[in-house]
Amino acid sequence: KAGVTQTPRYLIKTRGQQVTLSCSPISGHRSVSWYQQTPGQGLQFLFEYFSETQRNKGNFPGRFSGRQFSNSRSEMNVSTLELGDSALYLCASSLAGVGTDTQYFGPGTRLTVL
Amino acid sequence: GQNIDQPTEMTATEGAIVQINCTYQTSGFNGLFWYQQHAGEAPTFLSYNVLDGLEEKGRFSSFLSRSKGYSYLLLKELQMKDSASYLCAVPAGYSSASKIIFGSGTRLSIRP
Repeated sequence: KAGVTQTPRYLIKTRGQQVTLSCSPISGHRSVSWYQQTPGQGLQFLFEYFSETQRNKGNFPGRFSGRQFSNSRSEMNVSTLELGDSALYLCASSLAGVGTDTQYFGPGTRLTVL
Repeated sequence: GQNIDQPTEMTATEGAIVQINCTYQTSGFNGLFWYQQHAGEAPTFLSYNVLDGLEEKGRFSSFLSRSKGYSYLLLKELQMKDSASYLCAVPAGYSSASKIIFGSGTRLSIRP
């Protein structure tokens, strides 16, 4: 079974731009969650989608948004990029959802904001 | 509030045993996860404890005490490939915006 895939793997943007990241979950997994990982703050939960519905959202500004498609693939969008948004963005998929089931992480997208 | 504490760094010798501790505070406990993350790679699942006690999986074991808000990951017969960060995580309580909270991770270095 193929693992979680994320595209692109690396991205460089400038302040004020917007970016869209993509995540394809493991086949059969309906939950996709997104995380931001930085050296200073560690791994932080952004949001979770399950069957195209956002179930939970972490403590991040509205510039961070996402969606999930009927095939469970998910996208995350960050608008009006700030320098502090530079981070590794990870997505994870699971059968039952965050906190109740094992999360399988993708390789991440390394975003650099200049 | 919700909080997880684990040591920032640890060093151990190849072939030895190391214990990585994790203490947590959360409103409403629903299990504790351990993940391993090699530098530059994604976290991978190691264990999930819901009940008190020790669960063994090969060279890795994980212990949980719900009354003490405490868990540890025990790594035996250490190998160089065990050099990685180890993250503990707990599902957040109902009052938290975040669905799950991760510790800052313990960076384990194995020396020959």
